[in-house]
Amino acid sequence: GAGVSQSPRYKVAKRGQDVALRCDPISGHVSLFWYQQALGQGPEFLTYFQNEAQLDKSGLPSDRFFAERPEGSVSTLKIQRTQQEDSAVYLCASSSSFVRFDRAVNTEAFFGQGTRLTVV
Amino acid sequence: TQLLEQSPQFLSIQEGENLTVYCNSSSVFSSLQWYRQEPGEGPVLLVTVVTGGEVKKLKRLTFQFGDARKDSSLHITAAQPGDTGLYLCAGARGSARQLTFGSGTQLTVLP
Repeated sequence: GAGVSQSPRYKVAKRGQDVALRCDPISGHVSLFWYQQALGQGPEFLTYFQNEAQLDKSGLPSDRFFAERPEGSVSTLKIQRTQQEDSAVYLCASSSSFVRFDRAVNTEAFFGQGTRLTVV
Repeated sequence: TQLLEQSPQFLSIQEGENLTVYCNSSSVFSSLQWYRQEPGEGPVLLVTVVTGGEVKKLKRLTFQFGDARKDSSLHITAAQPGDTGLYLCAGARGSARQLTFGSGTQLTVLP
């Protein structure tokens, strides 16, 4: 598609329930990112994929969070045993970034509309 | 501690006024971007600056990257209600491809 697509747009989960959030990036973008955004704050990095390889997962807040991108295209962020503090907007972004002379270039990220997760 | 500090956090002005939003850090960034985000939507890229001292203009918006590539500013001339939104600066450091975001400036332009 023309842009980054995320589903569902809204998800209400009972505490303890598992959820799966989907991201369909811009075609051809090798880099895919997941961010978490609290209300009125800037997005916080969760994890990064280059094609199917998860190169950085340093931002995942706990081992309840798991992300995958098995074929280097669509990605899924899974949260197990959801807690109230997991309530946030989860944003997916893709880019055509690459590294040249130890410096990342083309880092412009194109974001989806996000999934608003509410844990009750 | 936020790596990128934005100020002010909130700004409410009348239509036609000018404003400047600041994005400061003690770290050097290889590039810096400004995004605008509206409620219920993801951030939308406005501009990327990569060279220290660079100035870019986008209609009524002027973006500047500090000489040392540690800070940036966004100046809006003759603000309009359509400029209302959350303005976010974001930087890439070294070879890292993920962006570090500031905490945002919530701008409200009143008609």
